[in-house]
Amino acid sequence: EIVLTQSPTTMSTSPGEKVTLTCLASSSVNYMYWYQQKSGASPKLLIYYTSLLPSGVPDRFSGSGSGTSYSLTITSMEAEDAAIYFCLQLTSFPFTFGSGTTLEIK
Amino acid sequence: QVNLLQSGTALVKPGASVKLSCKTSGYPFTDYYIYWVKQSHGKSLEWIGSLNPNSGSADFNEKFKNKATLTVDKSTNTAYLEIPRLTSEDSATYYCTRAGYGAFAYWGQGTLVTVSS
Repeated sequence: EIVLTQSPTTMSTSPGEKVTLTCLASSSVNYMYWYQQKSGASPKLLIYYTSLLPSGVPDRFSGSGSGTSYSLTITSMEAEDAAIYFCLQLTSFPFTFGSGTTLEIK
Repeated sequence: QVNLLQSGTALVKPGASVKLSCKTSGYPFTDYYIYWVKQSHGKSLEWIGSLNPNSGSADFNEKFKNKATLTVDKSTNTAYLEIPRLTSEDSATYYCTRAGYGAFAYWGQGTLVTVSS
């Protein structure tokens, strides 16, 4: 099983600041996927194929990485970005999620 | 538009079973895989399994292989997750999701299952 380790676990950021979240895989994966989950809501796909944005996702979000190291960046934090962020690998069974990073607004 | 509507909150006794539904609309039901995901304690996410609605075949996370059953009803465009012999460890929110963008793209609203006597 591929274990995904996210860091930091929790982060508090001021509006306008740049945010970078990390996801490390225990084995190499082909792509990484990122989800945003707000309180009381279902997860929402934020990034697919490591760096692509589904329609409707603001372009302040970006993804990068390869092999075992991936990151999600928010170029300028907004209040509405406060949420839990999860990474997901679909390279090998079982598909696995990271344990999440809780991003708070200061 | 794509919509996945899940059944409502379930309160069930230990040892009982539960069958959750996921009614889809807005797309050809048999063209896209359906995935089921468990979220425990409001945070950790686990993939339970994947279901091909066209063939009815499923792939499972080994952890859930002897725990969950995935089925579909093509006449109503509905997918089902059945969990027998419930324990407190099964208390969680269960999501159905549809494939898209090479990932789990469209999500139902989730069904909260509480196992309690």
